[in-house]
Amino acid sequence: KQEVTQIPAALSVPEGENLVLNCSFTDSAIYNLQWFRQDPGKGLTSLLLIQSSQREQTSGRLNASLDKSSGRSTLYIAASQPGDSATYLCAVKKETSGSRLTFGEGTQLTVNP
Amino acid sequence: SAVISQKPSRDICQRGTSLTIQCQVDSQVTMMFWYRQQPGQSLTLIATANQGSEATYESGFVIDKFPISRPNLTFSTLTVSNMSPEDSSIYLCSVEGTGSHEQYFGPGTRLTVT
Repeated sequence: KQEVTQIPAALSVPEGENLVLNCSFTDSAIYNLQWFRQDPGKGLTSLLLIQSSQREQTSGRLNASLDKSSGRSTLYIAASQPGDSATYLCAVKKETSGSRLTFGEGTQLTVNP
Repeated sequence: SAVISQKPSRDICQRGTSLTIQCQVDSQVTMMFWYRQQPGQSLTLIATANQGSEATYESGFVIDKFPISRPNLTFSTLTVSNMSPEDSSIYLCSVEGTGSHEQYFGPGTRLTVT
């Protein structure tokens, strides 16, 4: 059974800092990995999708990497802003189980002005 | 990408009643997914809904409690039946984009059962 773990559970940083969020998964047989952002009481916004054959994806100040063999992904946020404050979730899609996603517990990020 | 809307956005319901949540997508999709997010927790898949066939439920979820309809390729409903306070959660529907297999989520329905 696939398990996804995110570290740290919570993170508080001053504005302008660069930061890294970590995601690990136990079964390396994944199809892709997706990073989401969730604001309190809201739905999920897709940030980045990395296919299993890729090593990284970039969008603006966000960069996500994937090391499939070691079961790890990182989300790098450059020059953090208070508007980045949210919960960040990673989710993996297993190769053989259709399209279901397995989610981590999330990292709650607070960026202080 | 896909634009997904859900109704209602939130509701407060009494124990023992039922609530039907609607999910509408702006494009035709094969598979739609229903997730539950209990307070302070991550998302758990309830079921996968394909048009024209019975929904497939995950372990721990049953059709009598969470009946799902999928009448066409752009719409689905999830009913939470005989509700108890433990059903208080955010319920989200999701679809998968073609090609990239990226998943998109609706804004969620925040349900409180008293």
